[in-house]
Amino acid sequence: AQSVTQLDSQVPVFEEAPVELRCNYSSSVSVYLFWYVQYPNQGLQLLLKYLSGSTLVESINGFEAEFNKSQTSFHLRKPSVHISDTAEYFCAVRNTGGFKTIFGAGTRLFVKA
Amino acid sequence: DTGVSQDPRHKITKRGQNVTFRCDPISEHNRLYWYRQTLGQGPEFLTYFQNEAQLEKSRLLSDRFSAERPKGSFSTLEIQRTEQGDSAMYLCASSLGAQLAGLEEQYFGPGTRLTVT
Repeated sequence: AQSVTQLDSQVPVFEEAPVELRCNYSSSVSVYLFWYVQYPNQGLQLLLKYLSGSTLVESINGFEAEFNKSQTSFHLRKPSVHISDTAEYFCAVRNTGGFKTIFGAGTRLFVKA
Repeated sequence: DTGVSQDPRHKITKRGQNVTFRCDPISEHNRLYWYRQTLGQGPEFLTYFQNEAQLEKSRLLSDRFSAERPKGSFSTLEIQRTEQGDSAMYLCASSLGAQLAGLEEQYFGPGTRLTVT
């Protein structure tokens, strides 16, 4: 069985400050890892994913996440946030041979001016 | 816009009534998923279709829940004898199956918010 723990339910941060949203997972098999973003009143959107290869993955809007197998973590970071990054962020895992995606409870990022 | 669409977006019903939701996936996608999201939680997997075949169902899907994808295109999720605990956002997602299972991106619809009074 797999599980995902997002260690912070809410993260308030000032605009242009760096941010890290923490995610730990548990699995007995190989997994793919994902971060999804949900803006207010919108559907879930894939932000970035780790499938294999380089442990550092990046999104087009400046977020990055690093897969750490020994610590079973996949933390999301951005060096400088914008007001428009205010949203809920979900970390998720999926078996390398499966279809079911297991989501964490989410972290609400609130960027203040 | 050719994304995943869901109908209705909101549904308010009285306890004991039946409700049905519809999901239209991206047209060429052969895989379709239903998830449920309650307040303060991430989405929870309910069921999965490959074409018209329902291949996996979560234990969360009680006998009151049934899902179909009759022609391998749109899907419906029906809840019979609704209970207040069924109040949630019901999300649909679709994907185009890759050779290596699990690799493909799942595209989510906007969801149907169900409120049972």
